Parts: sequence; structure tokens; C-alpha cells
Amino acid sequence: AQSVTQPDIHITVSEGASLELRCNYSYGATPYLFWYVQSPGQGLQLLLKYFSGDTLVQGIKGFEAEFKRSQSSFNLRKPSVHWSDAAEYFCAVGTGELSFGAGTTVTVRA
Amino acid sequence: GAVVSQHPSRVICKSGTSVKIECRSLDFQATTMFWYRQFPKQSLMLMATSNEGSKATYEQGVEKDKFLINHASLTLSTLTVTSAHPEDSSFYICSASRQEETQYFGPGTRLLVL
Repeated sequence: AQSVTQPDIHITVSEGASLELRCNYSYGATPYLFWYVQSPGQGLQLLLKYFSGDTLVQGIKGFEAEFKRSQSSFNLRKPSVHWSDAAEYFCAVGTGELSFGAGTTVTVRA
Repeated sequence: GAVVSQHPSRVICKSGTSVKIECRSLDFQATTMFWYRQFPKQSLMLMATSNEGSKATYEQGVEKDKFLINHASLTLSTLTVTSAHPEDSSFYICSASRQEETQYFGPGTRLLVL
């Protein structure tokens, strides 16, 4: 069975500071991993994905994520957050059918 | 590329009526479409998976007679909430993918049943 854990329900970060969102997964084979962002009342936008190859993945909006097989993790990072990064972030794992984490709400303070 | 649209974006209906939500992949052919339901401040709950031309596969606990899914073409899937009741009020999101690749999500439909 596949599952995803996002340990942090809510993170508050100052504008310009760095951000790291944690994601741990359980999957029986080589996982396909995704990070999505959801603004209030909107659908999900794909930030980045990992299928294979380089374990450091670059995404849109300045985000990156690193796949660490030994830790079963796929943490999302951004060096300097902008106020527009305030949103809900979901980590997901799977091929075809996805399993989503519970989400992490990011608040950006001025 | 990989744009998915949903229509309507929000709908209000009376209890007992049926509501149809459309999901379209605008610039690619989607072999599989997914329907999710999202409650406030919660993650997405997969309702069903549909492949073009075949019956949808529903997740456990989802009533197939209440949530009718049709995937008539490689670019269109519809979800019909039949005899809607207030407890069906929710945010419904579809996604589309090609050959078990990345899922691309629509903007969601907010349903309010009075």
C-alpha cells in the first residue's frame, strides 16, 4: 500500500526567508513523487515531479525537491519565499492513482 | 500545455435535483480521468477513476448510482451528482493524465446544495 505523510500541518515563514516542507512516503516500488500547490478555492497546480534520474528536481516558481530513498523522503524547498507562495501544498505518490498527504498550509508574513 | 478545465466553476442547486460537472483536457488526450472530492481544509479524496470508453472504477464508499461518471471521449469526462442533498455540498476536482503519467488538475467546482 502506498501512503504519504506531511508532518507539518501549518508553517509560517517570513517573506524572503527559506522554506522547507517535509514529505515522507511509503511505497512498494520505485515511486513517482509529486508536489502540488493549491491556492484558496482553486485546483491543484503541479510544482514538480520525480520519476527517475537526478534526485534533485527543479520545479516552477523557484521550488526544488530532493528525493532521498534512504529516508523515504521528498522534501520541498524554496530559498526565498514570496507573499504569493502562501497556499496549501500537497505531496503525492503513485503511478496512475495518487495518494496525497494531508497538506501543509503555508502562511507568509511580511 | 496540459491544461484541464472544469465547468461550471460553482453551482447552487435545490435538494433533489441533479447537477452535471464537466472536465475537459484542452490540449492533450487523456487516457484516464480522476474525480476527487475535497472537504474544507482537508486533502483530496479520490472518488473514482475513469478510462475512455469503459465504466468508471469507484472507490470504496462512493455510491456509483449517486455519482454517475461518463468518459465519452479522450478529452471529456462528466460527473453527475444525482438527487443532490446538502451533504453533497463540496469542492469537486477532476484531473487528467496520459498513460499513467502526471495528473493535471482542473480548477475545481464548488457545489452548494440548498
